Amino acid sequence: DAKTTQPTSMDCAEGRAANLPCNHSTISGNEYVYWYRQIHSQGPQYIIHGLKNNETNEMASLIITEDRKSSTLILPHATLRDTAVYYCIVWGKGAQKLVFGQGTRLTINP
Amino acid sequence: GAVVSQHPSWVICKSGTSVKIECRSLDFQATTMFWYRQFPKQSLMLMATSNEGSKATYEQGVEKDKFLINHASLTLSTLTVTSAHPEDSSFYICSAKTSGRADEQFFGPGTRLTVL
Repeated sequence: DAKTTQPTSMDCAEGRAANLPCNHSTISGNEYVYWYRQIHSQGPQYIIHGLKNNETNEMASLIITEDRKSSTLILPHATLRDTAVYYCIVWGKGAQKLVFGQGTRLTINP
Repeated sequence: GAVVSQHPSWVICKSGTSVKIECRSLDFQATTMFWYRQFPKQSLMLMATSNEGSKATYEQGVEKDKFLINHASLTLSTLTVTSAHPEDSSFYICSAKTSGRADEQFFGPGTRLTVL
């Protein structure tokens, strides 16, 4: 599976949009970009995933560059409950294992 | 839908004892379950992958005789930490996926193990 690179930490003001970047320059054609988050002392929570088109759901939007080498997770109106570690993972269909990197620790400030 | 539960949510045990953690898929059949371990301020580390009815596949460096995994049914997998020691204290998380939704993996809430 391709490796991802994320900033170690980010801060965002409550009510503003939080934009979390992820680099995955070695992604291959059949690999998806997945985002999970982990709130302190809980299991990871699925957020969104995409292949090449931008995706949106009730939690977030995922913007994938045309060359697919990077993506951005957008939380449109961040709340204090969005404070968590966000993991960007590249995962191919049929691949057994989901491997977590270090993620981005996002802190939403009041 | 797609809920995964773990039991217990936390456990404290004495050094040298064994501890069993259960992972259940509540509303789907999990053909594959995964066990992760997470130390404070670190990321999740995959320990092993188990398919129903077959032996688990352990990641490099994980002792299979110490971390016994059983996936006897499509809704239950267990992780037994044998002869636990303080260095085994960690947050253990399971996840599950089904062949019907092979591109999704669902995580349990985790079990915090403290070995005294």
